[in-house]
Amino acid sequence: ETGVTQTPRHLVMGMTNKKSLKCEQHLGHNAMYWYKQSAKKPLELMFVYSLEERVENNSVPSRFSPECPNSSHLFLHLHTLQPEDSALYLCASSQERANSYEQYFGPGTRLTVT
Amino acid sequence: AQTVTQSQPEMSVQEAETVTLSCTYDTSESDYYLFWYKQPPSRQMILVIRQEAYKQQNATENRFSVNFQKAAKSFSLKISDSQLGDAAMYFCAYRSPLFGNEKLTFGTGTRLTIIP
Repeated sequence: ETGVTQTPRHLVMGMTNKKSLKCEQHLGHNAMYWYKQSAKKPLELMFVYSLEERVENNSVPSRFSPECPNSSHLFLHLHTLQPEDSALYLCASSQERANSYEQYFGPGTRLTVT
Repeated sequence: AQTVTQSQPEMSVQEAETVTLSCTYDTSESDYYLFWYKQPPSRQMILVIRQEAYKQQNATENRFSVNFQKAAKSFSLKISDSQLGDAAMYFCAYRSPLFGNEKLTFGTGTRLTIIP
């Protein structure tokens, strides 16, 4: 595997379900991110883990819970979601303090909440 | 807070022609990074080009180049010799270099269509 991978690619869940999104980066980066992409809206940053510490949660509802067990893996735990949470969830990684700062994205998980 | 504006929701260009996508941003910082990302229909967001604000020289990557006007806070992307594979959503993004402010601030995107 290379770059940033995400699983699953598609997820349909009911409002009472609990599921998790997984992200893995194979780039040796030290920061990882979750973004939400909804139609006709800018990408919204949800969570940042830099040097394995969460530095921002950006007022995300508590039904979204991130977990970063190490610098290569990032999870987004989902529970009791709402239909408006249906979106594309993108994971990204970067190497902080390296004078570059570009983020590399995974392919995304298309989430549909029914 | 920084904001990024892409005023062209959709653009189209004939294959082999040149197209310019516009982006403006607002910031009070003097040092920062700007990026153009491409998102084809397959959804994977790909970095196209980046520009450091402290560099006066415009960045170029093969057929892609930018026109960076720091005073005007403008960062347009020029695609030369457009190809069918260039069809995608293009996002302009801003990044502060400050630790603790790692997020990218994105514009709403421009959908580029290539006409054969």
